[in-house]
Amino acid sequence: DIQMTQSPSTLSASVGDTVTIACRASQTIFTWLAWYQQRPGKAPKLLIYQASTLEGGVPSRFSGSGSETEFTLTISALQPDDFATYYCQQYNNYPYTFGQGTRVEI
Amino acid sequence: QVQLVQSGAEVKKPGASVKVSCKASGYSFTEYAIHWVRQAPGRGLEWMGWINGANGQTKESQNLQGRVSFTTDTSAATAYMHFYGLTIEDTAVYYCVKDRSPVVGVDSLDFWGQGTLVTVSS
Repeated sequence: DIQMTQSPSTLSASVGDTVTIACRASQTIFTWLAWYQQRPGKAPKLLIYQASTLEGGVPSRFSGSGSETEFTLTISALQPDDFATYYCQQYNNYPYTFGQGTRVEI
Repeated sequence: QVQLVQSGAEVKKPGASVKVSCKASGYSFTEYAIHWVRQAPGRGLEWMGWINGANGQTKESQNLQGRVSFTTDTSAATAYMHFYGLTIEDTAVYYCVKDRSPVVGVDSLDFWGQGTLVTVSS
């Protein structure tokens, strides 16, 4: 299985900050990577697919980059709604695998 | 709008089986696969597999050791997840999720159900 490792596990920030979350794959996944946001008690929500393509309706302050094994999610000008847990996921190989999550807290 | 509405919470004893349903609306059910993802309390996400809405083809995670299967009722636009031989460690929220692409296996997961909590307890 492809292991997905996110860093950091927890990130403390303030409204208006710009934050970056890293995701590393144990082998190349090209750009077959998605990012999801999960608020407490809710289902995950797709933010970005194909490493850098913003899903419709997602604010432009979210952006993704990377390829092969190294990826990042950047959130510019953090808003109160952005305090949540973020997961990366690869869909290059079965089984699809997720990172362990990065909690963005105030 | 796309909606996936799942069945209610279940409490099962170890060794039992469970069936969770997922009713789809707002899109053509047979054009997209439905995936299943679970999340143990306070833990991360685990992909379980998918079922093709058009032909019933399935792909299960080998990590589940053959304890899961998927079916559909296309006339009701509903997908089902069947889990057998439940253990305490299978306590989790189970989500059904729509594939973003009509071609399964090449894209992310765009619309998620609300989740079904399955509690396994003696």
